[in-house]
Formats: sequence, structure tokens, C-alpha cells
Amino acid sequence: AQSVTQLDSHVSVSEGTPVLLRCNYSSSYSPSLFWYVQHPNKGLQLLLKYTSAATLVKGINGFEAEFKKSETSFHLTKPSAHMSDAAEYFCVVTGAGSYQLTFGKGTKLSVIP
Amino acid sequence: DTAVSQTPKYLVTQMGNDKSIKCEQNLGHDTMYWYKQDSKKFLKIMFSYNNKELIINETVPNRFSPKSPDKAHLNLHINSLELGDSAVYFCASSQGQGPESPQHFGDGTRLSIL
Repeated sequence: AQSVTQLDSHVSVSEGTPVLLRCNYSSSYSPSLFWYVQHPNKGLQLLLKYTSAATLVKGINGFEAEFKKSETSFHLTKPSAHMSDAAEYFCVVTGAGSYQLTFGKGTKLSVIP
Repeated sequence: DTAVSQTPKYLVTQMGNDKSIKCEQNLGHDTMYWYKQDSKKFLKIMFSYNNKELIINETVPNRFSPKSPDKAHLNLHINSLELGDSAVYFCASSQGQGPESPQHFGDGTRLSIL
């Protein structure tokens, strides 16, 4: 069984400042981890994924995440926030070989001009 | 060109009615999914089909019945709608079934039960 906890339900940053969205996971297997973004009234878009290759994963739109097994974390970062980054972000975990995604409860990112 | 398209985008109906939501993907994927997103934005998988065969069937009331006429389509029929069915329903698809095959999502169907 696996689970994921997003530590913040809402994060607010100023435009141009760094973004940190926190995610901790629990898994009985070697996990695969994903970050998805959901803009208002839209479906989910894959930002990046970790599947046991390099622990630092680069995604689209300047986002990256680092898999830290010792801390069971997969935090999402971006050096400089843009207004278009305002959205809901979901951390997702799945077990080895499993296609069944388990979603976190989401973190709403607000970007202040 | 939309990769995963759902219709309708909005659905408002009364309790007790029967309704269907359609999903089509033009990505050539083998696997399709239905998810429910509640008012708190929590997403939970409902069903998954691979090449028209049901492979995931989570604890979902029997009133929900998926149908896959071919591998590009996965429709969701809901009987006797209840207030608790109000949610956003997302269709998704992937090429394979493992974590190497990211899921592509439609824009959702917003179902409101009066």
C-alpha cells in the first residue's frame, strides 16, 4: 500500500521568488512519484516523474523535484515563480509496477504580483 | 487537437436521473481511466480499462457502470443519481500500465445534482 501527504494545502509566493511545495510519501515498494498540475477548470498535466533513475528530476516550466529516500520526500521546487504557475499541484505515488495512482490532497499555489 | 476529450463539460441534473459521460482519446493509448474529484479536490480512481477489459474496479456503487466500446472510448453511465455524486469526473489514458506510462487527463465533467 502507498500514500502521499502534501504538507501544505495553500502556498503563497511573490512573483520572481522561489517556490517550494512539500510532499512526503509512504510505500511498501520502491515507489514511482509524480507531480501533476491542475489549472482552473482544466485536467491534470504531468509536470515531472521519478521512476528510480536520477534522484533529481527536471520537469516542464522550470520545475524540478528531488527524491530523498532517507526522508521519504519528493518536494517540488522552482527558482522563480511566474504568474502562470498559479494552480493546484498534486503529488502522486504508485508502487513498483503498479499503474494505480494514489493522489495527495493537493497544494494550491498562489502567486502575488 | 484535444488528446483526451470528455463530453459534456458541465452536467446539471436532478436526483434520481440517469446520465452518461463520454470520453474519447486520440493518442492510440491502450489503457483508460475514470477518476472522481470531490469538492475538496481529492482525486480517487474509479475504474480502469485496458484494451476494452476492466482491470481496476474500486469500491464504487453499482449505479456507476463503465463501458468501453473500443480502446479509444470509455464512457461512464450513472443510474439513479444522488446528491453525493456531485463532483468533477476526469477521464485519463496511458499507453501502458506502469509508472513509465504517464496518464493524460481530459478537462473534466462537472456534475451537479440538484
